[in-house]
Amino acid sequence: QVQLVESGGGVVQPGRSLRLSCAASGFTFTGYAIHWVRQAPGKGLEWVAVRSYDGSSKYYAESVKGRFTVSKDKSKSTLYLQMNSLRAEDTAVYYCTRAASSRSGNFDYWGQGTLVTVSS
Amino acid sequence: QSVLTQPPSVSAAPGQKVTISCSGSSSSIGNNYVSWYQHLPGTAPKLLIYDNDKRPSGIPDRFSGSKSGTSATLGITGLQTGDEADYYCGTWDSSLSGYVFGTGTRVTVL
Repeated sequence: QVQLVESGGGVVQPGRSLRLSCAASGFTFTGYAIHWVRQAPGKGLEWVAVRSYDGSSKYYAESVKGRFTVSKDKSKSTLYLQMNSLRAEDTAVYYCTRAASSRSGNFDYWGQGTLVTVSS
Repeated sequence: QSVLTQPPSVSAAPGQKVTISCSGSSSSIGNNYVSWYQHLPGTAPKLLIYDNDKRPSGIPDRFSGSKSGTSATLGITGLQTGDEADYYCGTWDSSLSGYVFGTGTRVTVL
């Protein structure tokens, strides 16, 4: 069955870095775009970034542009979200989800989420 | 800062109907497909509607979606206590080159 499993969350100081992982199984990873979505405490859903199915396109929300980077493990069905220069406002539950394309909102499967807390 | 505007909350009695509006622009809803998601605290969001009005397998026909111009609407009929959740619209924004979610609407079953 289709599964997306996030990991790598934790507590980190402002200005430091953290890398989240999204391990996919049960489907052809290279056939889907993988998006990252987050929800800060008491706030709504916020889209963060997307990597297209073949890696040729990557898009980022303005709030993370220049600080976050999406990449894929060459040999595994795992996507990474490298988060640098973290700020308190990056504190959130981070989800990975799949869609048919970068611009599609057909987010049919989601991971369970991983909590990132940015605090000194 | 969301570019899709939803009402903060809607409510109705069990069995009744609610509608949730989602207002955008020509660069967002006006030229892209809209999806709707249900989000219960502590769980992953759930896709209810995609491509404006299509329901994924397993989503009851109590949930419906429509789009007109730069706005979209989610309808829920036969309201049940299990429908109490936060609902979000979402679409690609061609000007931002990014996906955007609505501000979210809390549905309360009275």
